Amino acid sequence: NAGVTQTPKFRVLKTGQSMTLLCAQDMNHEYMYWYRQDPGMGLRLIHYSVGEGTTAKGEVPDGYNVSRLKKQNFLLGLESAAPSQTSVYFCASSYRINPYRTTNTGELFFGEGSRLTVL
Amino acid sequence: AQSVTQLDSQVPVFEEAPVELRCNYSSSVSVYLFWYVQYPNQGLQLLLKYLSGSTLVKGINGFEAEFNKSQTSFHLRKPSVHISDTAEYFCAVSDGAGNQFYFGTGTSLTVIP
Repeated sequence: NAGVTQTPKFRVLKTGQSMTLLCAQDMNHEYMYWYRQDPGMGLRLIHYSVGEGTTAKGEVPDGYNVSRLKKQNFLLGLESAAPSQTSVYFCASSYRINPYRTTNTGELFFGEGSRLTVL
Repeated sequence: AQSVTQLDSQVPVFEEAPVELRCNYSSSVSVYLFWYVQYPNQGLQLLLKYLSGSTLVKGINGFEAEFNKSQTSFHLRKPSVHISDTAEYFCAVSDGAGNQFYFGTGTSLTVIP
């Protein structure tokens, strides 16, 4: 029962470097999300995907790109890292909400987080 | 866009005392409401949810929440807290399409022995 798995869990970058965070889910969920968590600001949505091959911008998309080539994977890329991108990143997945089906109630399932530091 | 307000950023409470964590949201349409808990160095996990039906929702670990549409609130309560309840609690709202979730800034609950 892996659920949602994020790699890597920790990474230190220098300003201007690039990297990719990988999120994998084994629950056959349609929706996947990338959030960042910063002290006092809660979780803010970066990008999300409602299905394979589709992505959309969230609240704070600038400086990030995403891809969903396979249903189970959602990649978050930083092309040129900046210190403002120092944060904890969470991936989440969900079914589409359907309150009449107990298995499809739309709640998010989260990974354990990836802590990124940009120097 | 919707917004979620958690009025208290930090709530200290003595062990075995009751606690209420407040959450208000702004929306003129039907929403789905959630409370998540985050233990140190972990991801978020679902505590409870309101989709429809009874306005009093019971969750895991003895928590419950009441949906109040007229006051646009979804406050979380527990009659007697334990040390193990020390964690960060997030209120979240989703629209009917379920495409996006909006989170509050979180309430840090500290249970004092």
